[in-house]
Amino acid sequence: GQQLNQSPQSMFIQEGEDVSMNCTSSSIFNTWLWYKQDPGEGPVLLIALYKAGELTSNGRLTAQFGITRKDSFLNISASIPSDVGIYFCAGRDQAGTALIFGKGTTLSVSS
Amino acid sequence: KAGVTQTPRYLIKTRGQQVTLSCSPISGHRSVSWYQQTPGQGLQFLFEYFSETQRNKGNFPGRFSGRQFSNSRSEMNVSTLELGDSALYLCASSLGGGINSPLHFGNGTRLTVT
Repeated sequence: GQQLNQSPQSMFIQEGEDVSMNCTSSSIFNTWLWYKQDPGEGPVLLIALYKAGELTSNGRLTAQFGITRKDSFLNISASIPSDVGIYFCAGRDQAGTALIFGKGTTLSVSS
Repeated sequence: KAGVTQTPRYLIKTRGQQVTLSCSPISGHRSVSWYQQTPGQGLQFLFEYFSETQRNKGNFPGRFSGRQFSNSRSEMNVSTLELGDSALYLCASSLGGGINSPLHFGNGTRLTVT
């Protein structure tokens, strides 16, 4: 089946640093989504992307839908302690198919 | 607007038993999807329901089943529980399930099978 490769698996950074993570797929996607999950809670939608090349920001977060439609990245600028959590990419290849998820990037921020 | 509500939050069952988990979607959302989350496998898609019909199904055995009611609320059932079924079960709802319908998740039901 389809696979999403998300990297890096984990990151340890200092407060104030910028962070970048990405996802690649084995097939073309029409939708890319980025979620964040805090301990004991469900994933929360951060950014949704629907067009190749689309670049969308949500506060300090910026995500892009790759031109090839097989990848996406998420950047976090000027990280703060509350950015700690697990970030998931998710994608859908066409209308009506299930959303599949990457394995997640665990972010740790030290102050 | 209330979010996705899942009950119960925690459940402990014994091998061989069965369990039913409940999900109330965001008001107006007609699609409900279920995922199993484990540390090793991440989020694995179980199934999706739209207007009381199963629209998509993941690669899980027949012991895992679900249904959706006319008010869009959904339940999933796992029969003959195995130790490996211990996981966080997440429900997510969306308006219609199409490409422009992102999923909104509940906080999950943590199932422990002993």
